[in-house]
Amino acid sequence: DTGVSQDPRHKITKRGQNVTFRCDPISEHNRLYWYRQTLGQGPEFLTYFQNEAQLEKSRLLSDRFSAERPKGSFSTLEIQRTEQGDSAMYLCASSLTGGDPPTPLHFGNGTRLTVT
Amino acid sequence: GESVGLHLPTLSVQEGDNSIINCAYSNSASDYFIWYKQESGKGPQFIIDIRSNMDKRQGQRVTVLLNKTVKHLSLQIAATQPGDSAVYFCAVFTGGGNKLTFGTGTQLKVEL
Repeated sequence: DTGVSQDPRHKITKRGQNVTFRCDPISEHNRLYWYRQTLGQGPEFLTYFQNEAQLEKSRLLSDRFSAERPKGSFSTLEIQRTEQGDSAMYLCASSLTGGDPPTPLHFGNGTRLTVT
Repeated sequence: GESVGLHLPTLSVQEGDNSIINCAYSNSASDYFIWYKQESGKGPQFIIDIRSNMDKRQGQRVTVLLNKTVKHLSLQIAATQPGDSAVYFCAVFTGGGNKLTFGTGTQLKVEL
């Protein structure tokens, strides 16, 4: 069962450095989401793509954050000039849309970012 | 915007008992709800979903109840097992069905 895959699982970086995370969705899924989760909280929406188009970005996504999905398959999330407040679990999810109702999001196991 | 909340942050139950986890939502136009289970170090795992045209849906050992009048849903787990220990989130589709909004979560602890 090839679910959503995220790489790396853990990343420790120093403040001010840039980091990039990768997400490989379930192959036939056309929607891809990024969420951020801090300890004791539910996941918070960051952005989503339908195929290669980025359709919505949260206000949480500052200009230091950029996400891409160039070929409508895998996606990358880059954080520039990391800050300690960026420390969190970054979750990727995918779904197959086109019908009604919406389909559930399937999540990967996340990338745990620690900024020191 | 949509807000989703849970009544209790932690729920402790004895193994074999039934568990009930509650969730309230704010937007009466919300029409699709999902329960997720999240184990430590893992991403949320889909458990069960329900549409607003239903008030009850059953899965294997789980039942979701939806009360649209008071904007409340619950997750019932029958014969709770140690493997059920996790954080449970309710989530609701918002933004025209384009994104999920999660609640804070309830930590379920199963005591042997």
